[in-house]
Amino acid sequence: EIVLTQSPGTLSLSPGERATLSCRASQTVGNNYLAWFRQNPGQAPRLLIYDASNRATGIPDRFSGSGSGTDFTLTINRLEPEDFAVYYCQQSAHSPLTFGGGTKVEIK
Amino acid sequence: QVQLQESGPGLVKPSETLSLTCTVSGDSISNYYWSWIRQPPGKGLEWIGYIYNSGSTNYNPSLKSRVTISVDTSKSQFSLELASVTAADTAVYFCAGGRGWLPDSWGQGTLVTVSS
Repeated sequence: EIVLTQSPGTLSLSPGERATLSCRASQTVGNNYLAWFRQNPGQAPRLLIYDASNRATGIPDRFSGSGSGTDFTLTINRLEPEDFAVYYCQQSAHSPLTFGGGTKVEIK
Repeated sequence: QVQLQESGPGLVKPSETLSLTCTVSGDSISNYYWSWIRQPPGKGLEWIGYIYNSGSTNYNPSLKSRVTISVDTSKSQFSLELASVTAADTAVYFCAGGRGWLPDSWGQGTLVTVSS
């Protein structure tokens, strides 16, 4: 099983600032099948990035993903109110599908 | 993009079987990977398993002995059964789907509480 470790656990920032979130895998994620989701309170996770760097349909360009192999990064430029949420990375390369423990982006 | 909606009891007694159904709309239920994913209150996400097309399944080894996922194409529905539940199975259960393993469309989720 691929274990995904996200850091930091919590990120305290102000609206308009940039957020940088990390996801490290315990082994290589094949084909870079690494996705990022945002979960707002009381809602289902929403897909932001797939295959490490591709934005999902309707996702604004302030969201960008990078990385390969075992180290991946989600960058959010110019934080907006709805961006203060919990973010999960997830791998779909190997069964079982696994999620990271999440990073909470909170208002400073 | 498909739309998904979970339905089923919100309360299940310990040792009984949790049963949920997900209704799919907006596209054919065929040729998708349909997953169940759960989230205990205040915690992270756990993939339970998926069913694909004609009924091929893949389950998380941590739950495999208790899980059954099935599909009813005539009703555009797929279902989850989780046997012998305990309080540790209390969670919000999401159904989700995608053309590949990646679950890119999600239902809103339904809270299932295990309690006597």
